[in-house]
Amino acid sequence: AQKITQTQPGMFVQEKEAVTLDCTYDTSDQSYGLFWYKQPSSGEMIFLIYQGSYDEQNATEGRYSLNFQKARKSANLVISASQLGDSAMYFCAMREAGYSGAGSYQLTFGKGTKLSVIP
Amino acid sequence: DAMVIQNPRYQVTQFGKPVTLSCSQTLNHNVMYWYQQKSSQAPKLLFHYYDKDFNNEADTPDNFQSRRPNTSFCFLDIRSPGLGDAAMYLCATSIHTPLAPYNEQFFGPGTRLTVL
Repeated sequence: AQKITQTQPGMFVQEKEAVTLDCTYDTSDQSYGLFWYKQPSSGEMIFLIYQGSYDEQNATEGRYSLNFQKARKSANLVISASQLGDSAMYFCAMREAGYSGAGSYQLTFGKGTKLSVIP
Repeated sequence: DAMVIQNPRYQVTQFGKPVTLSCSQTLNHNVMYWYQQKSSQAPKLLFHYYDKDFNNEADTPDNFQSRRPNTSFCFLDIRSPGLGDAAMYLCATSIHTPLAPYNEQFFGPGTRLTVL
């Protein structure tokens, strides 16, 4: 089973509107971290926001917020007031810590959602 | 500004000709990673260094090697590139401590490798 599922291969949003990018995850660990990254066409992966499994508050960073629903195992990214520069691929990722060793540092990425902002 | 730097940004090599990609960081992070990302796919971890300790992913081909001579630099060596190795190669760093294992990874701009 996939550990990170992003069901929206592509999304369109009107400039200045809000958009939600979906992410569900699968883990048996109690302690884990969830990340969202943005990848413009230039290729660089840009860290956007982080949510820890024990964090009670939803994470927010400027126009980005993470809608964390632990029981549903979802960690959706909400972008408010979309801008043309938000057009990019968005990746949801998870780091688990249920075991020691090399694997505990690995980020598992979803397949990504391509967001296009329409003027 | 502290950052992760990758050189070159674009690399063209010939089938079977060894190639080295480089990554440097000014963040003083103890963990460095190499990812391979093919078109329209998620990044795939090849290996990482925790300080000087090298950790290879089980499915990383032997054709891929890495060196980390010091904290700041890490190299990806592809001994005999094949056409299937054409991809974006991303270097990332993070700081990892037992009390703070979830720190984000900071990525470089990537090197886009073309194999002719």
